[in-house]
Amino acid sequence: GAVVSQHPSRVICKSGTSVKIECRSLDFQATTMFWYRQFPKQSLMLMATSNEGSKATYEQGVEKDKFLINHASLTLSTLTVTSAHPEDSSFYICSAREQGAQPQHFGDGTRLSIL
Amino acid sequence: GESVGLHLPTLSVQEGDNSIINCAYSNSASDYFIWYKQESGKGPQFIIDIRSNMDKRQGQRVTVLLNKTVKHLSLQIAATQPGDSAVYFCAENMGSNYQLIWGAGTKLIIKP
Repeated sequence: GAVVSQHPSRVICKSGTSVKIECRSLDFQATTMFWYRQFPKQSLMLMATSNEGSKATYEQGVEKDKFLINHASLTLSTLTVTSAHPEDSSFYICSAREQGAQPQHFGDGTRLSIL
Repeated sequence: GESVGLHLPTLSVQEGDNSIINCAYSNSASDYFIWYKQESGKGPQFIIDIRSNMDKRQGQRVTVLLNKTVKHLSLQIAATQPGDSAVYFCAENMGSNYQLIWGAGTKLIIKP
């Protein structure tokens, strides 16, 4: 149980393109989903917390207009990197948590490469 | 200066030996702790967790020890196998916001 699916696993695109990443909880309802960014050989950096039906809460330094988050249902959250540039290239990972439960369960990440 | 985060601490263990990965956590008020395993190119995978009202918890081939006095967490892996090669992260949580505070990670290398 507790499977989180993240899609796509890899994206390579030109600078200026907007990229949408999906995060789905397959066998549970996720009231809260989290979006992380991870640089090589480093720990996970929380970007934002996404609650179903409400606006996402962004961490300090994360541009909400750059990283659009939508959590429209209890099983789906999306992260859209708008007008992506090479400095946005990174490994983006989502996690989901069932209401009132621990731990967070993670997707397998999306490797984003902006040329 | 060089960022500490650019060089993950590394632990090399002989196959078949036990591994002990240590973590110092930051917040004495944290009440929930988790160990995750991250293989290359994948997301973190839950291994084991422990609440602050416990000192020890065992799973299959893994044991987590919690020492609240010195804010120390450890993960013990018995009879380490090649498939245990990964980066291991500890994480802590306090209260009801469910956000995790992540440790720096330790890379576990298995020697044949």
